[in-house]
Amino acid sequence: GAGVSQSPRYKVAKRGQDVALRCDPISGHVSLFWYQQALGQGPEFLTYFQNEAQLDKSGLPSDRFFAERPEGSVSTLKIQRTQQEDSAVYLCASSFSFSGNTIYFGEGSWLTVV
Amino acid sequence: DQQVKQNSPSLSVQEGRISILNCDYTNSMFDYFLWYKKYPAEGPTFLISISSIKDKNEDGRFTVFLNKSAKHLSLHIVPSQPGDSAVYFCAASAKTGTASKLTFGTGTRLQVTL
Repeated sequence: GAGVSQSPRYKVAKRGQDVALRCDPISGHVSLFWYQQALGQGPEFLTYFQNEAQLDKSGLPSDRFFAERPEGSVSTLKIQRTQQEDSAVYLCASSFSFSGNTIYFGEGSWLTVV
Repeated sequence: DQQVKQNSPSLSVQEGRISILNCDYTNSMFDYFLWYKKYPAEGPTFLISISSIKDKNEDGRFTVFLNKSAKHLSLHIVPSQPGDSAVYFCAASAKTGTASKLTFGTGTRLQVTL
């Protein structure tokens, strides 16, 4: 596809359940980012990949959050033992170059933990 | 610790008039600034950017002004159109040697009225 694709678009999880969110970046984009956007807030950085290497995971809120990009293309953000405060939109973004300042966002995965 | 601040949560402007959206930042290491536009249930869309070596960048109806001494930037939309109604996020980045992760403000909801 032409843009960043994310799935599922909407996910309702029971507290304690594990979830996996998928991101398919723009073809050829080296850099991939995950952001978390809570209601009424701006997106907040979670983690960054350059190809398959996770170079920055300083924004992951706890060890329940885990991200991978094993082949340098598709990425998965996994949240274990979900809690209500994990409810947010999870945005994936990609950019062409290593230091690309203009990043392109997907439509997001809306997670609600009940 | 909000490093990028958008103090106006909302703004209403009449069609054809100028819309001015403001953004302040505190981190003097920021060297690149971007504006993103977001419609409901969609991801943020890149609008315009400016490097810290410039004080103005123009793209059609959109102009971004940067005042480094005041740590302030603004987005001007002239003339405003109903399709401009959206949430606008200011974002900033600082070169860290890897990719430039973005720090976002909380957004300003612009409504352009007929």
